[in-house]
Amino acid sequence: DTEVTQTPKHLVMGMTNKKSLKCEQHMGHRAMYWYKQKAKKPPELMFVYSYEKLSINESVPSRFSPECPNSSLLNLHLHALQPEDSALYLCASSQDGVGIMGEQYFGPGTRLTVT
Amino acid sequence: GQQVMQIPQYQHVQEGEDFTTYCNSSTTLSNIQWYKQRPGGHPVFLIQLVKSGEVKKQKRLTFQFGEAKKNSSLHITATQTTDVGTYFCITLETSGSRLTFGEGTQLTVNP
Repeated sequence: DTEVTQTPKHLVMGMTNKKSLKCEQHMGHRAMYWYKQKAKKPPELMFVYSYEKLSINESVPSRFSPECPNSSLLNLHLHALQPEDSALYLCASSQDGVGIMGEQYFGPGTRLTVT
Repeated sequence: GQQVMQIPQYQHVQEGEDFTTYCNSSTTLSNIQWYKQRPGGHPVFLIQLVKSGEVKKQKRLTFQFGEAKKNSSLHITATQTTDVGTYFCITLETSGSRLTFGEGTQLTVNP
């Protein structure tokens, strides 16, 4: 199984809502990533978990809160988002930690719209 | 801090023509990866280059890593409509602490 799954595929939320994005992989990968991608732009790295510990936080606002409950799951909790946070949120995983930068497997993404 | 430039931003070619995209870093890299993202899709891994001067081929695709490990290129010979998409490089600094996406080159192929 070389698949990274993400749910939901689409999400519309108001600025006062709380929602969560979920990502799952069963490849035994030890690093998991959250990216944000705006239209016609490259993905921007948000967070990296390595061996279930947060190893990189790219100065992301606190309204985004990552969580890694176990080695297969990665969540992104959203609260009090702004319309400019609307984007495609991509999850990825790799065999080794980011310092080695193995091949990243990307999920299909969650298309988030903040109204 | 590290800066990564990818050029060109856009490339339009006729089917059968060649295509090259370049990724240039201001600092020495530990390694570099190339990904392809189809319209409406997610990035898909193509290759990783680690050694100075490394050249790797995948069918019509040729990847090079510069001798100084500061630049890389992806060359497609005789493009096909299936090559349409955006090609990104991802770089890792030698310190291992900074992972950076290039801005991407969007390739369109006219049949």
